[in-house]
Amino acid sequence: ETGVTQTPRHLVMGMTNKKSLKCEQHLGHNAMYWYKQSAKKPLELMFVYNFKEQTENNSVPSRFSPECPNSSHLFLHLHTLQPEDSALYLCASSQELDRGNQPQHFGDGTRLSIL
Amino acid sequence: SQQGEEDPQALSIQEGENATMNCSYKTSINNLQWYRQNSGRGLVHLILIRSNEREKHSGRLRVTLDTSKKSSSLLITASRAADTASYFCATDARGFGNEKLTFGTGTRLTIIP
Repeated sequence: ETGVTQTPRHLVMGMTNKKSLKCEQHLGHNAMYWYKQSAKKPLELMFVYNFKEQTENNSVPSRFSPECPNSSHLFLHLHTLQPEDSALYLCASSQELDRGNQPQHFGDGTRLSIL
Repeated sequence: SQQGEEDPQALSIQEGENATMNCSYKTSINNLQWYRQNSGRGLVHLILIRSNEREKHSGRLRVTLDTSKKSSSLLITASRAADTASYFCATDARGFGNEKLTFGTGTRLTIIP
């Protein structure tokens, strides 16, 4: 139990569907992150939130839309995805935003498959 | 560009042996972290080592950092089947706060019972 819960664990969707990924952290952390993990590639940072304000968007296509209603919850809304978007999507949190000097706590991810 | 690169990409050893994985990076860092990822799970933080530290221990784990060579190693002693996982290093580029944490592609470790 890492203190970061992601749902659903698996998601299969068509290219025209709309779905959302959910992340909840029970650690009292202030910063939350979305990462994309594809086979044979380094972990890609997608979005960063600090005290529920977005601080970073790493040139992510607009078909991915994040939402952070409070410091404990993070969503990733998906719309009109492409087959290359199939990957493991990981949520993480850390106490503060300075990412280098403190550990990040990860959820177990959502395995997304686009048909 | 990618900051940390692990070597080897894959490693298989017998249970009880020691496992060593290496990480090389390109630019100066403030900190380096090691994470483990079991199949189908998220990453779990193992150790954080700062740029002014040379060695750090945690249980059966030993991490070294050589900033002159821009490299780090993770040693797992007396390996167990449960150590089978992928191991990632993550680095932050030295700067002025809010440094981005960049992960490598990982070393896939298999412990043979």
